[in-house]
Amino acid sequence: GQNIDQPTEMTATEGAIVQINCTYQTSGFNGLFWYQQHAGEAPTFLSYNVLDGLEEKGRFSSFLSRSKGYSYLLLKELQMKDSASYLCAVLDSNYQLIWGAGTKLIIKP
Amino acid sequence: GAVVSQHPSWVICKSGTSVKIECRSLDFQATTMFWYRQFPKQSLMLMATSNEGSKATYEQGVEKDKFLINHASLTLSTLTVTSAHPEDSSFYICSASIGTTEAFFGQGTRLTVV
Repeated sequence: GQNIDQPTEMTATEGAIVQINCTYQTSGFNGLFWYQQHAGEAPTFLSYNVLDGLEEKGRFSSFLSRSKGYSYLLLKELQMKDSASYLCAVLDSNYQLIWGAGTKLIIKP
Repeated sequence: GAVVSQHPSWVICKSGTSVKIECRSLDFQATTMFWYRQFPKQSLMLMATSNEGSKATYEQGVEKDKFLINHASLTLSTLTVTSAHPEDSSFYICSASIGTTEAFFGQGTRLTVV
């Protein structure tokens, strides 16, 4: 079967760095997405990786290793507003989006 | 966990015809449902937000007469692409939320208009 695994919940301190991991097993691979979602709101796009390596966008970076079926989202200089759920999703060979359950990130002062 | 079922998973239709996509929350009542569109290798684009029993709120640039959304019950929302054209070919995804908790996603519908 297909599955995406990511931790259910993580806690970090304001100003610190946190890494949210995502491992996947899918039939084919056409890219991996990270989304941020605040409670009661629609998710917002953070990043898209289709090639191995690190993509940096300001305080957020995303890494992909296709051979290992692994990605992580790195958040630096954490702010209270970063408290949200972070969703990992993989586009499989049929362009079906396989979603992880999301990681709830709690930021403490 | 909460399950959102989207049907069909893929559909091919002729240009000029209409296509209906269903989104159902199987084990919970969804107060709000979101409809998204995703072009290959691009971000998820929110099309509209619908609350049960009221008209959907469409995002800027989304034609409400072309993309008809009906949220008739707390477990079902439908998106109808009317008079579809090849440029409407895309990947459509719904998500459903319970109050202010996070949303749960359907598996998506791949629409190809020929």
